[in-house]
Amino acid sequence: AQSVSQHNHHVILSEAASLELGCNYSYGGTVNLFWYVQYPGQHLQLLLKYFSGDPLVKGIKGFEAEFIKSKFSFNLRKPSVQWSDTAEYFCAVAYRNTNAGKSTFGDGTTLTVKP
Amino acid sequence: NAGVTQTPKFQVLKTGQSMTLQCAQDMNHNSMYWYRQDPGMGLRLIYYSASEGTTDKGEVPNGYNVSRLNKREFSLRLESAAPSQTSVYFCASSSRWGGDGYTFGSGTRLTVV
Repeated sequence: AQSVSQHNHHVILSEAASLELGCNYSYGGTVNLFWYVQYPGQHLQLLLKYFSGDPLVKGIKGFEAEFIKSKFSFNLRKPSVQWSDTAEYFCAVAYRNTNAGKSTFGDGTTLTVKP
Repeated sequence: NAGVTQTPKFQVLKTGQSMTLQCAQDMNHNSMYWYRQDPGMGLRLIYYSASEGTTDKGEVPNGYNVSRLNKREFSLRLESAAPSQTSVYFCASSSRWGGDGYTFGSGTRLTVV
């Protein structure tokens, strides 16, 4: 079965610290990769996506992620976090050979940024 | 604004009651999904619909049924609610192959007592 593993369940940082959230998926089919963000009390919003091409993708609010095919990884990074980045972050994988483009989600990482 | 609309936002049910969660999208997407979100468990797929007229089971379909009424609408029905179905339910839509990612609705917080 497809699976997505997020390495950290809860990360606490001070403002201006750098962020890296790990994400690994279970096997190496042709994939679409996503990071979603869920701010407190809100629904999930797409942060960034990888479909093909440059493995370093940039998203909204200064986030970026790097796809490393050999490691089945898609880690999320931000050089300097802000208090407003406090949220839950979900990595998701869609295998292109599956019907309907359905995604498998990781369990999520809660990021708390201290002001 | 274009997006995914879910109703209701909150619901409390008694064990054994039934209800239908409604979802509509105006993104002209082919695929629609129902997920449930539970603390520490991420999002788990209940049912999905690749296109109008088709539905398929996801990871946790037991206790649920769905209807893809037309391209825009995809409803989720709980026939006999159980406390284990207490959760936050999200509807989402995407293009046929999901390459652009999902657009999510705002969620339904369901409590079964």
